[in-house]
Amino acid sequence: DQQVKQNSPSLSVQEGRISILNCDYTNSMFDYFLWYKKYPAEGPTFLISISSIKDKNEDGRFTVFLNKSAKHLSLHIVPSQPGDSAVYFCAASALTTSYGKLTFGQGTILTVHP
Amino acid sequence: SQTIHQWPATLVQPVGSPLSLECTVEGTSNPNLYWYRQAAGRGLQLLFYSVGIGQISSEVPQNLSASRPQDRQFILSSKKLLLSDSGFYLCAWQSTGGSGYTFGSGTRLTVV
Repeated sequence: DQQVKQNSPSLSVQEGRISILNCDYTNSMFDYFLWYKKYPAEGPTFLISISSIKDKNEDGRFTVFLNKSAKHLSLHIVPSQPGDSAVYFCAASALTTSYGKLTFGQGTILTVHP
Repeated sequence: SQTIHQWPATLVQPVGSPLSLECTVEGTSNPNLYWYRQAAGRGLQLLFYSVGIGQISSEVPQNLSASRPQDRQFILSSKKLLLSDSGFYLCAWQSTGGSGYTFGSGTRLTVV
């Protein structure tokens, strides 16, 4: 049962344009959401997070939007840069009902072309 | 500051051989510890997690086992590797109480 889904395996964007990565979840108990970025042969690194009491969180070029009614979140990268090319994983946890174990999506490969 | 060490970085092992991957965390106490695997072209699959010494929970039935002999040490093992055990193994720690993980640099395991 895939509780966190990233339905787009890959995304290709031109440098300077916006990248939008999407993520859907099914577990209504999830109350904390994160995005991780992963380069080949490296561990994922934390990018940005959002709790369920918010619908938007912004950090520089990265903004995460949460739509609780649709059980959907998205990561916007503006402007996209070639160094942003990586695999992006969304993750979710239920902090109020567990110790915070994360459930990850399958990942989306982002390629930013110069 | 907290750091996480994972080794080795790469490993090529024959089918049927044993496995031991080690992960240690510095600069924190009583972390939650995790082992994940990323198979080729797939997402991150949680294998084991631990909330304390000697406490191991398994997420999926498999050929692997985990142990936590010390507060900041997490070991992934197998007695006999299968071809299907190939993948990229990641250790992660999380402070007690939740929020995000910090991942190690990973181990690329190829079973031949």
